[in-house]
Amino acid sequence: GDSVTQMEGPVTLSEEAFLTINCTYTATGYPSLFWYVQYPGEGLQLLLKATKADDKGSNKGFEATYRKETTSFHLEKGSVQVSDSAVYFCALSENSGNTPLVFGKGTRLSVIA
Amino acid sequence: DAGVIQSPRHEVTEMGQEVTLRCKPISGHDYLFWYRQTMMRGLELLIYFNNNVPIDDSGMPEDRFSAKMPNASFSTLKIQPSEPRDSAVYFCASSPQGPRYGYTFGSGTRLTVV
Repeated sequence: GDSVTQMEGPVTLSEEAFLTINCTYTATGYPSLFWYVQYPGEGLQLLLKATKADDKGSNKGFEATYRKETTSFHLEKGSVQVSDSAVYFCALSENSGNTPLVFGKGTRLSVIA
Repeated sequence: DAGVIQSPRHEVTEMGQEVTLRCKPISGHDYLFWYRQTMMRGLELLIYFNNNVPIDDSGMPEDRFSAKMPNASFSTLKIQPSEPRDSAVYFCASSPQGPRYGYTFGSGTRLTVV
């Protein structure tokens, strides 16, 4: 079945460092890909998404590019802030039907000043 | 748009008691999902509805769990009787037209069973 694999955390970075969180997927067909963010004590929020190969999703300085050839959707940000500390989830939705999102296990990011 | 509204935010109950969690999805969203999140098991899908009809409840852990969606604006997740291992954060999410469009999550209900 479809699956999402994320790099294990926690990831600890200093403020203004470059961030990459790796995400690879296994799916039949052409899934839509998502990154969600969960701040402490809150629900998951959609951060960005991409619906087809080579699409780039972006929001709040975060970017991810849908790479079909490597089945990847890595999350990047050029300069992280303390306020980016959260858990990040990669997810996919297979496009052949309306089955629920498949989530990765999440990667905890801590940014220190 | 008030988003997905869950109540209560926190619930502490004694083992054996009945617990009811509530969710109001975003108006016009056709899909509603119930998830459970724990440190050990991460995010688990319990059940989801399309147009108020349960589509897949294979994630419901036991017969002690039940979920209903009597109308498009309200859903409940009930645990009877509750057990300490049910302690978790329970999230409701809704989606317009289908998961490929993404979800909007509520803020969750933190359940503690003592």
